[in-house]
Amino acid sequence: GAGVSQSPRYKVAKRGQDVALRCDPISGHVSLFWYQQALGQGPEFLTYFQNEAQLDKSGLPSDRFFAERPEGSVSTLKIQRTQQEDSAVYLCASQPSGVSYNEQFFGPGTRLTVL
Amino acid sequence: SQKIEQNSEALNIQEGKTATLTCNYTNYSPAYLQWYRQDPGRGPVFLLLIRENEKEKRKERLKVTFDTTLKQSLFHITASQPADSATYLCAPNWGDTGFQKLVFGTGTRLLVSP
Repeated sequence: GAGVSQSPRYKVAKRGQDVALRCDPISGHVSLFWYQQALGQGPEFLTYFQNEAQLDKSGLPSDRFFAERPEGSVSTLKIQRTQQEDSAVYLCASQPSGVSYNEQFFGPGTRLTVL
Repeated sequence: SQKIEQNSEALNIQEGKTATLTCNYTNYSPAYLQWYRQDPGRGPVFLLLIRENEKEKRKERLKVTFDTTLKQSLFHITASQPADSATYLCAPNWGDTGFQKLVFGTGTRLLVSP
């Protein structure tokens, strides 16, 4: 497809389980972002990749959150020992280059529910 | 730290009217500001970008203004249609990182009635 895709679209986890969320950015896009969106709120920045390099992870809430993009294309956001407060929609976005003044292209998100 | 404020209450208007949404920020002006539209169950979709040195930007029925004195951006939809019903997010960027780190407001939900 031409857009950003994410999988799974919905994930239910029991508290304490590990989850992995996948993002397929638009082919050739250099920059990749992960955001967390709580109900009724705007997306909040989690982390940023330029190709395979993770240049900013200042938004990751705790060391239970880990993201990677080993080959500079597909990215995975992993959450270990999930907690109820991790319940949110996780959005992935890509951008053609690392230069500002470009729009970000968002995927549909993965809705994570932690019971 | 920077704070972004959008009206959290939904804006209800009649079809054909102009919708005006507000985005206020604190401290110093961002280098530029983007507006996105988000429908339920979907990711945000880019609409417009306005730079610090621009007063106004237009695209079809959309218009964005940027007032650095008031520390405010206004987003207008003229001749609104029910299909314009969605949540609209503003996202300033202060350019203090080497990349486009978007900081989103909470968004304002717009409901356009036929």
